[in-house]
Amino acid sequence: QQQVKQSPQSLIVQKGGISIINCAYENTAFDYFPWYQQFPGKGPALLIAIRPDVSEKKEGRFTISFNKSAKQFSLHIMDSQPGDSATYFCAAVKGAQKLVFGQGTRLTINP
Amino acid sequence: DAGVIQSPRHEVTEMGQEVTLRCKPISGHNSLFWYRQTMMRGLELLIYFNNNVPIDDSGMPEDRFSAKMPNASFSTLKIQPSEPRDSAVYFCASSLSPRDRVPPEQYFGPGTRLTVT
Repeated sequence: QQQVKQSPQSLIVQKGGISIINCAYENTAFDYFPWYQQFPGKGPALLIAIRPDVSEKKEGRFTISFNKSAKQFSLHIMDSQPGDSATYFCAAVKGAQKLVFGQGTRLTINP
Repeated sequence: DAGVIQSPRHEVTEMGQEVTLRCKPISGHNSLFWYRQTMMRGLELLIYFNNNVPIDDSGMPEDRFSAKMPNASFSTLKIQPSEPRDSAVYFCASSLSPRDRVPPEQYFGPGTRLTVT
């Protein structure tokens, strides 16, 4: 019930392309879905987040699409750049504090 | 602000030794989290504190692990005795209690890479 499944494990995209990472959850009590970005040797940092009462949220080149009925959400990175190369984690929160993370996706943007 | 501070950044120890990891949260934050990151299990929440009180320690793997938060500016995670399977990167994160309906952002430290041989 607490698991968040993320795919793919790794992803290679050409510069300028669209990167898409998918997540699925089981627990319908989750009410907040953040994405974290982690660079090598650093801790994760919040990138963008969405609540289940909206189907899409966009911030710059980053967009979250949310499908409540399917219990799925995805991160889209438009015009992917080499600087976007990092590990991305989706997460889900029930209540105020406890994050449940997906397994992570290592994204590589080829120049 | 210096962000969340963790020490040491790297720790190499032998099996059976005691290991203590330290964390200084962002000033003014009242929640603190300890996570463990491995290739096999990803990011796991071990324990979190709110106002220095442990709220949920269900992620602590076993009695060899203990965590304390004696005051709002300091926390420790102790492993005694350490085992090779404890090798991982341990992150500390802090946040401020939520306002309105938005869960608070957790700010992660740089992590401590622990190797137990």
